[in-house]
Amino acid sequence: ELKVEQNPLFLSMQEGKNYTIYCNYSTTSDRLYWYRQDPGKSLESLFVLLSNGAVKQEGRLMASLDTKARLSTLHITAAVHDLSATYFCAVDSNYQLIWGAGTKLIIKP
Amino acid sequence: EAGVVQSPRYKIIEKKQPVAFWCNPISGHNTLYWYRQNLGQGPELLIRYENEEAVDDSQLPKDRFSAERLKGVDSTLKIQPAELGDSAVYLCASSLGMNTEAFFGQGTRLTVV
Repeated sequence: ELKVEQNPLFLSMQEGKNYTIYCNYSTTSDRLYWYRQDPGKSLESLFVLLSNGAVKQEGRLMASLDTKARLSTLHITAAVHDLSATYFCAVDSNYQLIWGAGTKLIIKP
Repeated sequence: EAGVVQSPRYKIIEKKQPVAFWCNPISGHNTLYWYRQNLGQGPELLIRYENEEAVDDSQLPKDRFSAERLKGVDSTLKIQPAELGDSAVYLCASSLGMNTEAFFGQGTRLTVV
């Protein structure tokens, strides 16, 4: 059974700082997604990572995938308050997405 | 382009009552998903459709939950009878096909009292 673990589950940080969210998964997969969810809102797709070594960047967010280590990272550079949200990774397993528990990120001005 | 549309947004019902949720996916998306999200957790897949065929319903509690996707477009998810533990957000998502990016609706927040 595929398991997806995110850490940390909760992160409070100051604006301007850098930090990384980690997503580990337990079995082979070469497709990983990162989503953002604001309180009371739905899930917004951020990145789709399709191969080993894939790196994608959008603004202050950068995601990478290491399929050999079964690890994806979401790096936040010079955080701003607007990035406060819960971030989920989801791993494809036999056409089904298995989701992490989410990382709640609070960025303080 | 319209996104995934769900209704209602909120629903409060008494236990043992029936409830239904409706989803209209993005036009042209063949794959439709129903997820349940409990507070503080990631979504859990309930059922996945490819066109009108339910191809993965292994996580759907079939004693009380049912779903349909007539004509391979809109879908409804029903719970009868509802239990207290069914309180959650029910999310619908759609994608062009398997292994493609899924787009989510706003969800229906169900409270069973």
